[in-house]
Amino acid sequence: GQNIDQPTEMTATEGAIVQINCTYQTSGFNGLFWYQQHAGEAPTFLSYNVLDGLEEKGRFSSFLSRSKGYSYLLLKELQMKDSASYLCAVRDINDYKLSFGAGTTVTVRA
Amino acid sequence: DTEVTQTPKHLVMGMTNKKSLKCEQHMGHRAMYWYKQKAKKPPELMFVYSYEKLSINESVPSRFSPECPNSSLLNLHLHALQPEDSALYLCASSDRDREGTTNEKLFFGSGTQLSVL
Repeated sequence: GQNIDQPTEMTATEGAIVQINCTYQTSGFNGLFWYQQHAGEAPTFLSYNVLDGLEEKGRFSSFLSRSKGYSYLLLKELQMKDSASYLCAVRDINDYKLSFGAGTTVTVRA
Repeated sequence: DTEVTQTPKHLVMGMTNKKSLKCEQHMGHRAMYWYKQKAKKPPELMFVYSYEKLSINESVPSRFSPECPNSSLLNLHLHALQPEDSALYLCASSDRDREGTTNEKLFFGSGTQLSVL
């Protein structure tokens, strides 16, 4: 199984940058995903990392270091609609199961 | 069509009722999943179907019974549930070849909010 840790809550101002860290321990790493979930809605896919480095997609970027068991999601030019829970999820190579962290609730203030 | 459709959106049932949750996707995905999510908690995996065969059962109580009638449909049959089973039940699907792909992005449905009285 995996142990996945991420902060519970973060608050930032509209237009600012926020970085959400995720650390994990797994017996067989096969990819890390970030999902966004608004209250009462389904999680939606944001990014996927399987190799070390930075993946950039518009205002969102995700970084992975496999040797450190570490990832972060970077949200730039924050907008009010970015207020949501951000879930870090790790897939196990042995059974392809995706396990989720507890999520980080980001609140964007005007 | 990149949607996973779940019905009903809301369900209230008593502990003696039998009900079913339904999930449908037309993306040609061959892996389908049931997750359970409590408020302010991450989704927890319940079942995985791969090519219409049950491949993972996360020690879910038998009062939850999954069914995959074909490659587009996934059901979750509920019987004699407990109040602690109240949660958001999420269906998801992903693309998978028979050897397993290296990037299996999950597409989630909007969920069924279940309340057991």
